[in-house]
Parts: sequence; C-alpha cells; structure tokens
Amino acid sequence: DQQVKQNSPSLSVQEGRISILNCDYTNSMFDYFLWYKKYPAEGPTFLISISSIKDKNEDGRFTVFLNKSAKHLSLHIVPSQPGDSAVYFCAASGRNSGNTPLVFGKGTRLSVIA
Amino acid sequence: DSGVTQTPKHLITATGQRVTLRCSPRSGDLSVYWYQQSLDQGLQFLIQYYNGEERAKGNILERFSAQQFPDLHSELNLSSLELGDSALYFCASSVLDWGGYYNEQFFGPGTRLTVL
Repeated sequence: DQQVKQNSPSLSVQEGRISILNCDYTNSMFDYFLWYKKYPAEGPTFLISISSIKDKNEDGRFTVFLNKSAKHLSLHIVPSQPGDSAVYFCAASGRNSGNTPLVFGKGTRLSVIA
Repeated sequence: DSGVTQTPKHLITATGQRVTLRCSPRSGDLSVYWYQQSLDQGLQFLIQYYNGEERAKGNILERFSAQQFPDLHSELNLSSLELGDSALYFCASSVLDWGGYYNEQFFGPGTRLTVL
C-alpha cells in the first residue's frame, strides 16, 4: 500500500520553462512534506519542505504547494535549468503517522532539455 | 558531500552469502536510517537507530539485521542473499530522533549490492 504516490515516472521540459512535479498521499496523519533531489551515483539531497499549516513555501526557483483537502502537493521549478535534471522524490512525515519516520514516493525523473 | 559515508561503494556476491554494509553518520548525528532502493522502486525504509537503540522498523526482512555501535556508526547485515536483494542500500543520519520531521535526513552515496 503506497502512502506516497508520484504517478509520473518521468517528465521532460525545455530550458527556461516551468517544471511541475506532482505527488499524492493517502495518510491523513502526515503533516510535514519534503522534496529530495537525486543525481546518479549520489544519495538524495534535501531540496525544500512544507508544513501542513502552510499551503505554499518558496525558496528561490523552487516552490512547493500543498492542498490538504486533496492530499496533493506539487513542486514548481521556474525557470528550469539543465542542472535540474535529476530524480525528484516526494516524501512525507508525521509524529503519529506510523512506524516510518519518512515515507518516500517512487520518484519522477526530470529531464531539462537545452 | 553530505558528511555521511558508506562502505563499500560496490559489492558483488553470490546467492546464499552474507554481507555487511557500513555507515558512518555525520558528526554529531545520533540517528541512523537504512533504506533499500530496488529497480523502479522508491526508497523503502528498513530500520532506524537512535543513539544505539532501535527506534523504528519498516519492511526489513528477517534475513537482514542492523546495529548501531557506541561510536554511532551502523552496520547492516544481509544474510542468505537472494537475487532479489540486489539493490542500492542507502544510509542516512539526522541530529534528532524521527528524522525527516522538522529535522533533515542526510543521505550517504549508497552501496550497490549485486547478487549473482
């Protein structure tokens, strides 16, 4: 039973345009959400997070939106750059969400084409 | 460089064998986490240790075990290996307990295990 779902395995975007990566979750006890970025042959690195008390968090070119009623979050990258090409993992956490501190989706591979 | 180190980087072994993966957390981090990433799968949480004690357990097989030592490094032992155990194994660490919840998990580069 996947509690965090990223339904698009891959996404291709032109350089300079907006990249939108989507994520859905099922566990209503999650109240903290994160995006991690992973390059080949490296471990995932933290990108941006959002608490459930907010609906938007922005950090430079990266913005995460949270829609609690829809149990949906998205990551916007504007403008997209070739160096953004990587696998992006959505993750969720909650103090009382279960026996796993951080639950990951399967990832979306983003390719930014120059 | 996250500050989390994992050894070895690559490991090739045969079915039925036993291997040990090692992780050194970032200086000052008390929590260590182990994850498995198989082909086309996300990061599957295996187990967490906090200051030497088992804190949380995920989908870890009975053939797998882990421990965290007094110097806070951790080892993941995989025994009676099967072809399906071939995967990337990541270690992560965090300062506090329940990493990911308002305190970041920092990941190592992973160990790629191939079982032939």
